[in-house]
Amino acid sequence: AQTVTQSQPEMSVQEAETVTLSCTYDTSESDYYLFWYKQPPSRQMILVIRQEAYKQQNATENRFSVNFQKAAKSFSLKISDSQLGDAAMYFCAYRTLNAGNNRKLIWGLGTSLAVNP
Amino acid sequence: GAVVSQHPSWVICKSGTSVKIECRSLDFQATTMFWYRQFPKQSLMLMATSNEGSKATYEQGVEKDKFLINHASLTLSTLTVTSAHPEDSSFYICSACRLPTATDTQYFGPGTRLTVL
Repeated sequence: AQTVTQSQPEMSVQEAETVTLSCTYDTSESDYYLFWYKQPPSRQMILVIRQEAYKQQNATENRFSVNFQKAAKSFSLKISDSQLGDAAMYFCAYRTLNAGNNRKLIWGLGTSLAVNP
Repeated sequence: GAVVSQHPSWVICKSGTSVKIECRSLDFQATTMFWYRQFPKQSLMLMATSNEGSKATYEQGVEKDKFLINHASLTLSTLTVTSAHPEDSSFYICSACRLPTATDTQYFGPGTRLTVL
């Protein structure tokens, strides 16, 4: 069974600085999706970034980028120029590619990110 | 695009009553929706996968007779908590997969806070 591990329960960063959140996963599959979701205090889950395992290029969305290391099964999220609005819980998630009717996500426990002014 | 709504956003009920929570995909069709439960400062716990026109698939340990799921159309799934008790108090979140699309990403509703007195 697949598992997702986020080893940093809490992180903090100074405004305008860069922070990296770690995520590792375990799977025997070769094709899958990886996601980072953000959950601010409003508790609305927001998709931050998505990576297909068959793509070697790291996904990027504005200030958010990932470092996807397939062999190491690592999927870290880098937030550049941190803003106060980035303060939230960040969840890493895994989903098998050939899901058929099984599209459920495997979730990490989350990392709480504080942004200090 | 890809907006998911939930209604109500919060509800307080007496022990023994039933509560229905609606999840709607507003601008896309969703053949698959998911229902999660989240305790404070914890990750999401998948309760069930809801497929339009068929019976929901429940995760191990989730009582299907207590948490009734109906996915009657491509834009609406409902979760009914029957004979609610204080231990059912929680934050319930739904998500929907937008299909057909290559991304197959889950989009989340804003959640429903249930308090059972």
